[in-house]
Amino acid sequence: DAMVIQNPRYQVTQFGKPVTLSCSQTLNHNVMYWYQQKSSQAPKLLFHYYDKDFNNEADTPDNFQSRRPNTSFCFLDIRSPGLGDAAMYLCATSSNRGSYNEQFFGPGTRLTVL
Amino acid sequence: GQNIDQPTEMTATEGAIVQINCTYQTSGFNGLFWYQQHAGEAPTFLSYNVLDGLEEKGRFSSFLSRSKGYSYLLLKELQMKDSASYLCAVMDSNYQLIWGAGTKLIIKP
Repeated sequence: DAMVIQNPRYQVTQFGKPVTLSCSQTLNHNVMYWYQQKSSQAPKLLFHYYDKDFNNEADTPDNFQSRRPNTSFCFLDIRSPGLGDAAMYLCATSSNRGSYNEQFFGPGTRLTVL
Repeated sequence: GQNIDQPTEMTATEGAIVQINCTYQTSGFNGLFWYQQHAGEAPTFLSYNVLDGLEEKGRFSSFLSRSKGYSYLLLKELQMKDSASYLCAVMDSNYQLIWGAGTKLIIKP
């Protein structure tokens, strides 16, 4: 089945220790998104890639970086996690950026910062 | 600024009907999405509206009025498994999704 896969599902890190979250997709979609979602809040878009074209949201902290080495994979690097970065991180894909483009979500990675 | 408003929480009874409202103010409009999100899981797509009117899909229906900046999700014959958060999201003129915070729906037997 075509899908969006995120690893790991649960990640524990220490304050200030870099962490990398990964996302892969078998849908062959052009667009990949990283969202941060805290409890009972709306998903917050961090950045997205349209093919290799990187789009950073204006309010995404510099502490968050991303890489997309090929169509299938995308990584989220948190250089120095703080307690406020504990959240669910959702990867999503869509076939294009046009009007009707449903986003398909991975299962998410729940990040805990100790 | 861009804004999506939906109730924080609603309670309904198994077998009943519930309507979850969403109002929006966005820079441009390229469609409105409803997603379902169970606790600790990722959102899953329910519906998309870009024209005014009602879209029906099984037990779920979604309505849109662009002139009023308003949508609702109607859930019929509620089942316990429908207990989840329901997120409204609008695609703006830049084709970015603007998300609401979600409505937590609690179903009681």
